[in-house]
Amino acid sequence: NAGVTQTPKFRILKIGQSMTLQCTQDMNHNYMYWYRQDPGMGLKLIYYSVGAGITDKGEVPNGYNVSRSTTEDFPLRLELAAPSQTSVYFCASSWGLRLTDTQYFGPGTRLTVL
Amino acid sequence: GDSVTQMEGPVTLSEEAFLTINCTYTATGYPSLFWYVQYPGEGLQLLLKATKADDKGSNKGFEATYRKETTSFHLEKGSVQVSDSAVYFCALTLDSGNTGKLIFGQGTTLQVKP
Repeated sequence: NAGVTQTPKFRILKIGQSMTLQCTQDMNHNYMYWYRQDPGMGLKLIYYSVGAGITDKGEVPNGYNVSRSTTEDFPLRLELAAPSQTSVYFCASSWGLRLTDTQYFGPGTRLTVL
Repeated sequence: GDSVTQMEGPVTLSEEAFLTINCTYTATGYPSLFWYVQYPGEGLQLLLKATKADDKGSNKGFEATYRKETTSFHLEKGSVQVSDSAVYFCALTLDSGNTGKLIFGQGTTLQVKP
């Protein structure tokens, strides 16, 4: 049971380049999330998904896209990278939406846009 | 809006010292409160949680009590170890919106010296 896995761990992009951050969970969770963490700040929600085929925007969705074709995978797409997207990205998943449900996090992807 | 504020870090302690990391929140409803920990090179892990006022969450010697009157959820440990060195995040979730979204504080880095 690997939990939540993310690839790559590190990436440097040039302005205008595109990339996809991968996230996979093997816990059969319905709910998945993408957060970003800027230096000295808390995590902010980018997008979330309540099941395969269903996604919605979080606090800071601009510049990102997501898809959820399977229960296990929730990739995050950056189409035109900008320096403001330099951050650490965390994927998370949970069984349900109750207040007591725990979110399980991946190890993060550190992205630098130059 | 809803928010979480943590004390500034880094917090540097000697082994066996007493730890307090302050966390206060602002919320329009009745949140659940969480402490997550991030060890170097790893993802966030749930440390403890409390879902209603006066609840005490505890795990691995850490404790935090949900104080509605002071809107606080301070993390404490009686005797820290070098292995407790990590970044600690306070977070809340509300039942409005049915998103399961976590709202995080900015994180507090704890360094424990032998």
